[in-house]
Amino acid sequence: GAVVSQHPSRVICKSGTSVKIECRSLDFQATTMFWYRQFPKKSLMLMATSNEGSKATYEQGVEKDKFLINHASLTLSTLTVTSAHPEDSSFYICRTTPHGLAVTDTQYFGPGTRLTVL
Amino acid sequence: AQKITQTQPGMFVQEKEAVTLDCTYDTSDPSYGLFWYKQPSSGEMIFLIYQGSYDQQNATEGRYSLNFQKARKSANLVISASQLGDSAMYFCAMRDSNYQLIWGAGTKLIIKP
Repeated sequence: GAVVSQHPSRVICKSGTSVKIECRSLDFQATTMFWYRQFPKKSLMLMATSNEGSKATYEQGVEKDKFLINHASLTLSTLTVTSAHPEDSSFYICRTTPHGLAVTDTQYFGPGTRLTVL
Repeated sequence: AQKITQTQPGMFVQEKEAVTLDCTYDTSDPSYGLFWYKQPSSGEMIFLIYQGSYDQQNATEGRYSLNFQKARKSANLVISASQLGDSAMYFCAMRDSNYQLIWGAGTKLIIKP
């Protein structure tokens, strides 16, 4: 079946550095990618929606210059946390649906990235 | 406003007992979809079951069933014969007309041996 990979699965970095998280659809085209952030024991919070070849749409309160999203191809979307600080420590998850299915409730999630900023 | 409500932050259930996780939703869209996901401590989101708003019958997937009561706007998850491996966070979510997912706060389920 369809699989979405997400790398890295876990990253620890120093404050001030940038971290790139990749979300890749392995055997289908992902037109739209949703990026979520999740705090411990909390629900998923939508950060932004990216469409291949266009600028991402950010949710209210999410800093677009802080969380850079690139969706340059139909199989790869990236989230870069720039100048990371300890408060950016969180679990980040991507979600997508297969391209070409006009009406679908098939959802695919990446396995998540646990970011710890020291 | 569209909303998902899970009123049980945590539940303890004895192994082999059935468990019902509550979920109510609010939407004015006639077309929507309801999901239940399991999230173990590893963090991955595991799809359990789906119910479309026009589906006439309640969805079932193995030990999971969804008690869909449209008039009450509820979509409770029933797990029969619970197992230790069922211990996890459980999220109810609703797909809106823009294909966004609206998430509930989650229920932490702990199965006791």
